[in-house]
Amino acid sequence: GQSLEQPSEVTAVEGAIVQINCTYQTSGFYGLSWYQQHDGGAPTFLSYNALDGLEETGRFSSFLSRSDSYGYLLLQELQMKDSASYFCAVRLSGGYQKVTFGTGTKLQVIP
Amino acid sequence: EAGVTQFPSHSVIEKGQTVTLRCDPISGHDNLYWYRRVMGKEIKFLLHFVKESKQDESGMPNNRFLAERTGGTYSTLKVQPAELEDSGVYFCASSRGTGARGDYGYTFGSGTRLTVV
Repeated sequence: GQSLEQPSEVTAVEGAIVQINCTYQTSGFYGLSWYQQHDGGAPTFLSYNALDGLEETGRFSSFLSRSDSYGYLLLQELQMKDSASYFCAVRLSGGYQKVTFGTGTKLQVIP
Repeated sequence: EAGVTQFPSHSVIEKGQTVTLRCDPISGHDNLYWYRRVMGKEIKFLLHFVKESKQDESGMPNNRFLAERTGGTYSTLKVQPAELEDSGVYFCASSRGTGARGDYGYTFGSGTRLTVV
């Protein structure tokens, strides 16, 4: 089967940089996505890596290395509002193309 | 455009009762997905509709769960009879297509928090 592992919790200081890792055991996927979910809210799409390398969107960057079965989300200039859960996800190729989510990382930003 | 709407936002029912959750996807989105997050764990896939057809229901936990999508518009997820372990947040998501390349992300609803007591 497929699995995507993430650290369960991460704490970082406001203004700092934090990296949330995602390691996976799956094959044949189109790319790696990241979603953010605030408590009680809807998961919202943040970024997508179709190819290996770094994708940058404002304060957020995401990285994928298929050879290492690894990706990460990098958040810079952390703000208190970044406190949320973050999920990596893959869309499996072939078949029904459903999106499989990682275990999720709860990020707490402290002053 | 209006987002994905789910109703109710919260539901508390007793074990053995029936609950029906509703999802209204974004208009024009053929693909509709149900997911569940239990006790702060990962978001788990339940099933996928393409229009009114069930494309993949491999994530449905058992036959107490029944999903329908009448006319390819809104969808309902019924749990009957509900058990304690069914408690969690049920998310619905929709997307326009499932192109072979690229992923512009699902649009999720805010979820229904189901508590079975």
